[in-house]
Amino acid sequence: SQKIEQNSEALNIQEGKTATLTCNYTNYSPAYLQWYRQDPGRGPVFLLLIRENEKEKRKERLKVTFDTTLKQSLFHITASQPADSATYLCAPGGYQKVTFGTGTKLQVIP
Amino acid sequence: NAGVTQTPKFRVLKTGQSMTLLCAQDMNHEYMYWYRQDPGMGLRLIHYSVGEGTTAKGEVPDGYNVSRLKKQNFLLGLESAAPSQTSVYFCASRPDRTPHNTGELFFGEGSRLTVL
Repeated sequence: SQKIEQNSEALNIQEGKTATLTCNYTNYSPAYLQWYRQDPGRGPVFLLLIRENEKEKRKERLKVTFDTTLKQSLFHITASQPADSATYLCAPGGYQKVTFGTGTKLQVIP
Repeated sequence: NAGVTQTPKFRVLKTGQSMTLLCAQDMNHEYMYWYRQDPGMGLRLIHYSVGEGTTAKGEVPDGYNVSRLKKQNFLLGLESAAPSQTSVYFCASRPDRTPHNTGELFFGEGSRLTVL
C-alpha cells in the first residue's frame, strides 16, 4: 500500500541552526513533491515544489532535495528562526488524489 | 479574492444528527478536496472531485457523502454523525496541473466539528 512517512516526533532546534525534515514515500512514483507549512488552527500553505528531474531547489532560506532512487525528499531551513515554528507536510505530486504525510512539528527555540 | 471559504467554521452536533459542510472557491479550480485532521494523524483525504459533477473516494470515505453540482462548490455531508467524526475538516482546491503552475493546493481555514 502507499505510504508517506515524515519524522513522527517533534523536532526541536536552536535558533540559527539548520533544521532538516525528512519525507519518505512508498509505492508512489511522483512527478514532483510539494512541501506545505501549517500553523496551529490554520490551513496548510504551499511552500515549494521540486520536480523529479531536479536534485535540489532553493527559495530564500529553504532548500529541498529529491532523491527518486531513495524515494526521499529532505527539507532544510537554514538560519532557523522562532517564526519558522510550525508543522511541515509533504505530498507526492502528479496524481489526481493528493495525500499528505503526517507532518513534522518543528519548534525553534530562541 | 476570497480564495477557499468553508462554512460553518464551528459546529456542535449530537450523535445521529446530519449536517452539511460547504466549501466554495472563486479561483475557477477544477479539483477540490475534503480532508479531516485529527491529533497525530495528519491530513486524511475523505473525498475529492476532479471536476463539476464528479466525485471520488479518498482514504477515509465511510460515513461521508459529497456532491459537486457546481464547479465552485464542494459539499461534504454527514448523514448520521458519530463521535468518531469529531475533527477539523479542511477543504482545498487546485487548478489542473500545467507546466506553468505548481499544482499547489489552496486550503480553507477549516471547520471544527464536535459530535457529542
